[in-house]
Amino acid sequence: AQSVAQPEDQVNVAEGNPLTVKCTYSVSGNPYLFWYVQYPNRGLQFLLKYITGDNLVKGSYGFEAEFNKSQTSFHLKKPSALVSDSALYFCAVRDISGNTPLVFGKGTRLSVIA
Amino acid sequence: NAGVTQTPKFQVLKTGQSMTLQCAQDMNHEYMSWYRQDPGMGLRLIHYSVGAGITDQGEVPNGYNVSRSTTEDFPLRLLSAAPSQTSVYFCASSYSSGRGTRDNEQFFGPGTRLTVL
Repeated sequence: AQSVAQPEDQVNVAEGNPLTVKCTYSVSGNPYLFWYVQYPNRGLQFLLKYITGDNLVKGSYGFEAEFNKSQTSFHLKKPSALVSDSALYFCAVRDISGNTPLVFGKGTRLSVIA
Repeated sequence: NAGVTQTPKFQVLKTGQSMTLQCAQDMNHEYMSWYRQDPGMGLRLIHYSVGAGITDQGEVPNGYNVSRSTTEDFPLRLLSAAPSQTSVYFCASSYSSGRGTRDNEQFFGPGTRLTVL
């Protein structure tokens, strides 16, 4: 069975500092990995995905994520946080084979403090 | 494009009542799905559809029915509402590529906040 773990319920960071939101996954084969962001009272918005190729994936709003197969991780990063980055972030995984649907983590709330 | 639309935005039901949550997309996406979001639980898949006439169960299908008669619409029906179904419901869709929909990002609607008393 596939699963996603986001070990931190809450991450606090000062504006201008780098941020990291952690994600680890478990699949039987190789993964497709996604990050989504949810602003208050809104639906989820796609940020970036890893399908194949370069382990460093760049996405929207200056975010990037690094795929690490040996550590089964896909941490979300940004070099300089903005107050407007404050939101709920979800990691999601899907096995590239089989017919299993996308599985989401429980989410990490990011607060960027001015 | 309007993207993915959901109606209503808010709904209050009494236990035992039935209702349908509407979802429509105008992007000609083959794949559509319904999730519920509960505090500390993330998003859990209720039902999904890979095309018109085809539906399948997700992680938490009990108490919900779906149908997919057209590519555009994917309504979610609660036959007899229960307090445990109090949640925020999201509909999502994605397009199909050569690998199917497996590597494609999903587009989410704004959600329906449902309270069952």
